[in-house]
Amino acid sequence: SQTIHQWPATLVQPVGSPLSLECTVEGTSNPNLYWYRQAAGRGLQLLFYSVGIGQISSEVPQNLSASRPQDRQFILSSKKLLLSDSGFYLCAWSGPRDGSYGYTFGSGTRLTVV
Amino acid sequence: QQQVKQSPQSLIVQKGGISIINCAYENTAFDYFPWYQQFPGKGPALLIAIRPDVSEKKEGRFTISFNKSAKQFSLHIMDSQPGDSATYFCAASISPAGTASKLTFGTGTRLQVTL
Repeated sequence: SQTIHQWPATLVQPVGSPLSLECTVEGTSNPNLYWYRQAAGRGLQLLFYSVGIGQISSEVPQNLSASRPQDRQFILSSKKLLLSDSGFYLCAWSGPRDGSYGYTFGSGTRLTVV
Repeated sequence: QQQVKQSPQSLIVQKGGISIINCAYENTAFDYFPWYQQFPGKGPALLIAIRPDVSEKKEGRFTISFNKSAKQFSLHIMDSQPGDSATYFCAASISPAGTASKLTFGTGTRLQVTL
């Protein structure tokens, strides 16, 4: 069966520090991968998605970047964190381009920038 | 990003009652409408989903009703239980061939089921 791992679960970082959040998927190949951010009490905002290694699409301009160095690995990064980067970050995957649309989310990373 | 409007923002229902959450969308090209359930500190989990070629889908106590002409869909939770207390998100997506399916989410409904 497919599983998705996301870490760390919580993170407190000072303003101006770098960020690296990692997400890996097991049990499938060529998944579509996504990074979402959820602000407190709000919905989910799509940040980045990837259909393959090295292929990253950005949905909103921001202080973050994403990379996909391997088929089942998706990394969210920042060189210098801002207070506004605080939030709950969720990685998700969906099936390859065969019509399977459902998302499976990871357990999320609670990021607090202080 | 195409909008999906969700209401109410919060909902309190007595145990055994019916919980109803509504969503409306604008883009008639959407072809997949899932509902997600999220408990505090956890990622959302897929609850039930529907495609626009059917008007209703039922899985256990959860039912999606879909009105294509009105561009609306709703989640009904029958016999609501305290364990159903969570935040529920509706979503919609277009899945053009050859690229990723990008879900657009509603803003969420916090459901509390009281004893």
